[in-house]
Amino acid sequence: DVKVTQSSRYLVKRTGEKVFLECVQDMDHENMFWYRQDPGLGLRLIYFSYDVKMKEKGDIPEGYSVSREKKERFSLILESASTNQTSMYLCASSPLRATNEKLFFGSGTQLSVL
Amino acid sequence: EDQVTQSPEALRLQEGESSSLNCSYTVSGLRGLFWYRQDPGKGPEFLFTLYSAGEEKEKERLKATLTKKESFLHITAPKPEDSATYLCAFRRRDDKIIFGKGTRLHILP
Repeated sequence: DVKVTQSSRYLVKRTGEKVFLECVQDMDHENMFWYRQDPGLGLRLIYFSYDVKMKEKGDIPEGYSVSREKKERFSLILESASTNQTSMYLCASSPLRATNEKLFFGSGTQLSVL
Repeated sequence: EDQVTQSPEALRLQEGESSSLNCSYTVSGLRGLFWYRQDPGKGPEFLFTLYSAGEEKEKERLKATLTKKESFLHITAPKPEDSATYLCAFRRRDDKIIFGKGTRLHILP
């Protein structure tokens, strides 16, 4: 089975802290994605990557950055956490760009920024 | 603007009571309409892809259909384990996968 692992299930941080959310996939997938999920707003795409060291902005990249130094790992960075970044963060991967609709998701990280 | 709208927001059914969830879309040049299931505390899980009007896909008690303006997820004789949030999504022209807000389905035993 494809496994997408997010390093933390729950995370509590203070306003202004730099926050790292880690995601690892074990199926040699080309594509990796970060979404956030909020009640009433659904899933929104933050950043994605189609290859190592490559990144593209999603619909809501402000306040975030990403890093993909290895194919299996995609990190989301909150440069200076703010309370409006309290959310469920979901990482996903898919095998090829042409078939990227079949996303495999991790279980999510519930981030609370106080 | 390309978008999908799901209805209803929430649905409660008795076990065995069949129904349908709706996903209406306004997308120029649809390049795929997708359905996912999400259980509480977990990430979404892929169910179906539909590419053209008239296409249908089935899996156990679920059947997804597609017309030129909307997609339906039909649930036949549901069981309590079918309780979940069902998400539809589409591939935008820039290849990004965009999700609707979902329908929370609750099946009462």
